[in-house]
Amino acid sequence: AQRVTQPEKLLSVFKGAPVELKCNYSYSGSPELFWYVQYSRQRLQLLLRHISRESIKGFTADLNKGETSFHLKKPFAQEEDSAMYYCALARYSGGGADGLTFGKGTHLIIQP
Amino acid sequence: DGGITQSPKYLFRKEGQNVTLSCEQNLNHDAMYWYRQDPGQGLRLIYYSQIVNDFQKGDIAEGYSVSREKKESFPLTVTSAQKNPTAFYLCASSAPGGGGGNEQFFGPGTRLTVL
Repeated sequence: AQRVTQPEKLLSVFKGAPVELKCNYSYSGSPELFWYVQYSRQRLQLLLRHISRESIKGFTADLNKGETSFHLKKPFAQEEDSAMYYCALARYSGGGADGLTFGKGTHLIIQP
Repeated sequence: DGGITQSPKYLFRKEGQNVTLSCEQNLNHDAMYWYRQDPGQGLRLIYYSQIVNDFQKGDIAEGYSVSREKKESFPLTVTSAQKNPTAFYLCASSAPGGGGGNEQFFGPGTRLTVL
């Protein structure tokens, strides 16, 4: 069975400080991982995916297969980064994706 | 604001009643999904459908049923067999083929409360 673990329910940092949201996964195959974000009163939306290897809103995430981790990082936090962040792992069987397995989420609060 | 729509936004149900949540998308996506979101639990997959007239159970399908008669629509019925139905329900869809690397687009959600 696959699993996604986000150990921190709540993370509070000051504006301008570095941010790291932790995500560890358990999966026997080759993982496809995502970070989704939900800002207050907005829909859940994709922030980034590991296959794109891109930086979105200053956030990056590197897949570390040895440590089975996909931590989300940003060097300088901004107040608008305050949101709920979910790490997710694609589910597979047969030919197609069968939805996502989500972690329980981390509530990030950026203090002024 | 097209994309995925869910209705109603809030829904109240008496115990013992079935209720159907609507999900419609105009993105021409093949794959559609239903998740349940509970505080502190993240999202859990209820059902998914990769093509019309086909759907599969997710991790917590008991007490729920779905249909996929049209590409655009994937309604979820919460039956009286669901022991703890009060939750926030999210519908999502992904691009043709439903490949794992494709982004899932989410609806605004329906909050169901059982009275």
